[in-house]
Amino acid sequence: GAVVSQHPSRVICKSGTSVKIECRSLDFQATTMFWYRQFPKQSLMLMATSNEGSKATYEQGVEKDKFLINHASLTLSTLTVTSAHPEDSSFYICSVAGGLAKNIQYFGAGTRLSVL
Amino acid sequence: DAKTTQPNSMESNEEEPVHLPCNHSTISGTDYIHWYRQLPSQGPEYVIHGLTSNVNNRMASLAIAEDRKSSTLILHRATLRDAAVYYCILSNFGNEKLTFGTGTRLTIIP
Repeated sequence: GAVVSQHPSRVICKSGTSVKIECRSLDFQATTMFWYRQFPKQSLMLMATSNEGSKATYEQGVEKDKFLINHASLTLSTLTVTSAHPEDSSFYICSVAGGLAKNIQYFGAGTRLSVL
Repeated sequence: DAKTTQPNSMESNEEEPVHLPCNHSTISGTDYIHWYRQLPSQGPEYVIHGLTSNVNNRMASLAIAEDRKSSTLILHRATLRDAAVYYCILSNFGNEKLTFGTGTRLTIIP
């Protein structure tokens, strides 16, 4: 399967600041990447679908101006949480899809965001 | 999206086989059955997927009922490292989105 690197693994920031999370596909070209959010003891919730070279598609209820997604290359997508608040504290996970096994997703290790 | 139903939790003894059930009575003919697992504080990991026939890989086996309304993930010899939340997900070919349910939390007893 694909190797997905997510960075940073953990970040603590002050309320009102912005945080950027990177997701890299290390060994194949990812035409599609996904961003999920997971609150404690809950399941993963899809936030947005990111396609290389085009605008991301956000799920209902996810603010696109708050969660900025950039997928400028086939190996890198970034999620920027703008003006973060304590309620944005969560586990953010990216995944990549593509290649021969188009309907299989390979996940990063996740980023734990804590907003003080 | 067609939904799946899984038990909230299961326990198994180490070195014994584990059968994780999943019901998906509203599955459509083009839905694939996927299994992922999530270890604590990690992103999910792909385990196996299938359409109609049973599937085997190095991690597990997937047994699919003849009417496709249920399936079972089989771990042939559980280890402590298999303790995780296991998600059974239906995914329609051509639609890459995955909808995660609550999954089954598997506890392995030493």
